[in-house]
Amino acid sequence: DIQMTQSPSSLSASVGDRVTITCRASQTISTYLNWYQQKPGKAPKLLIYGASSLQSGVPSRFSGSGSGTDFTLTISGLQAEDFATYYCQQSYSNPPFTFGPGTKVEVK
Amino acid sequence: QVQLVESGGGLVKPGGSLRLSCAASGFTFSDKFMTWIRQAPGKGLEWISYISGSGTTKYYADSVKGRFTVSMDSAKTSLHLQMNSLTVDDTAVYFCVRGERGLDDAFDIWGHGTLVTVSS
Repeated sequence: DIQMTQSPSSLSASVGDRVTITCRASQTISTYLNWYQQKPGKAPKLLIYGASSLQSGVPSRFSGSGSGTDFTLTISGLQAEDFATYYCQQSYSNPPFTFGPGTKVEVK
Repeated sequence: QVQLVESGGGLVKPGGSLRLSCAASGFTFSDKFMTWIRQAPGKGLEWISYISGSGTTKYYADSVKGRFTVSMDSAKTSLHLQMNSLTVDDTAVYFCVRGERGLDDAFDIWGHGTLVTVSS
């Protein structure tokens, strides 16, 4: 099975900051990498699919990049509503559909 | 409006059974695939089952294989998860989730989740 790791596990940031989260796959997954945002008590929400494609309705301050095994999610100009936990997930080898452990973005 | 609504969660004793349901509106499963994903309290996301839009192909995570069974109704608008031999490790919020082939198999529609608590 493909294993996913994320770094950092948590970070503190301020409104307006540029935030970057990294996700790594244990083997190549081409660009079959998706990013989700989850707020407490809510279901996750799809942000980015195919490593860099913005899901409909998601603000353009979110962007994704990468291919192969290394990927990044960038939030350019963090907003108050962006404080949440972010998960990466591979859809290359399925099943199983594996998620990263998550990165919690907290208020500095 | 495209949405998924889960039901059937609750408190069950270890060794017991529970059946979760998921009602879809605004679409049918035919040209999608459906999954169940769970999240234990304070933990991350764990995919546990997959069913193709036709209902003919099913996969399970090792953690639930042989105990859980996914199915859909003939109208392809309701999804079910039969959970048997439950253990405390199955305590989690269970999400019904749509997979979209056109989005590189990403999970684009999530239900609100239903809480399953396994405790004596």
